[in-house]
Amino acid sequence: DTAVSQTPKYLVTQMGNDKSIKCEQNLGHDTMYWYKQDSKKFLKIMFSYNNKELIINETVPNRFSPKSPDKAHLNLHINSLELGDSAVYFCASSQEGADTGTGELFFGEGSRLTVL
Amino acid sequence: AQSVAQPEDQVNVAEGNPLTVKCTYSVSGNPYLFWYVQYPNRGLQFLLKYITGDNLVKGSYGFEAEFNKSQTSFHLKKPSALVSDSALYFCAVRDPFSGGYNKLIFGAGTRLAVHP
Repeated sequence: DTAVSQTPKYLVTQMGNDKSIKCEQNLGHDTMYWYKQDSKKFLKIMFSYNNKELIINETVPNRFSPKSPDKAHLNLHINSLELGDSAVYFCASSQEGADTGTGELFFGEGSRLTVL
Repeated sequence: AQSVAQPEDQVNVAEGNPLTVKCTYSVSGNPYLFWYVQYPNRGLQFLLKYITGDNLVKGSYGFEAEFNKSQTSFHLKKPSALVSDSALYFCAVRDPFSGGYNKLIFGAGTRLAVHP
């Protein structure tokens, strides 16, 4: 069983389109994340949800909108895609709460987005 | 600002030789430190962490890391490298201002190449 699964794995689209990436975890974790890895492999956090509540929101353009329908799912919707959005987007989860944030992250396999 | 530095883009080592991948950090307060490994076209996998206690921590696949507070370092080590260890290695520190959640700040990554 895949612990953290993302779909689609590859996504090629035109500038200006809107696209979504879905993430599901079956680990029973309370907290989920979206990270972006650029072409130089640099990783940066975008968002985090704890039990459906947004807890981390980095300086990400508001074209990016995360949605968490329940604690096992965290989706990422991107409006008006730009060339610079091309990257690998990783979903992750961890079991933690306030003052217990020492657990490791479990990552999905990534969704490679290419904007043409 | 909190940060992690991995001074080497790539480390080359012969199979059977010891390996070291370097990491230094800058963070307020006591650091929570992590190492992750990324194989090609895969998500990141947790290797080990330092929260408190013994400065030498052991992790998966025979890896270990030594926390050195005076040098603000957390170098990853393995006594005998395997070709299968070839991958991209990330050092990370937890942002101390993330409300106890696992907002990790990653280094730029170091590519480890183990030659037969």
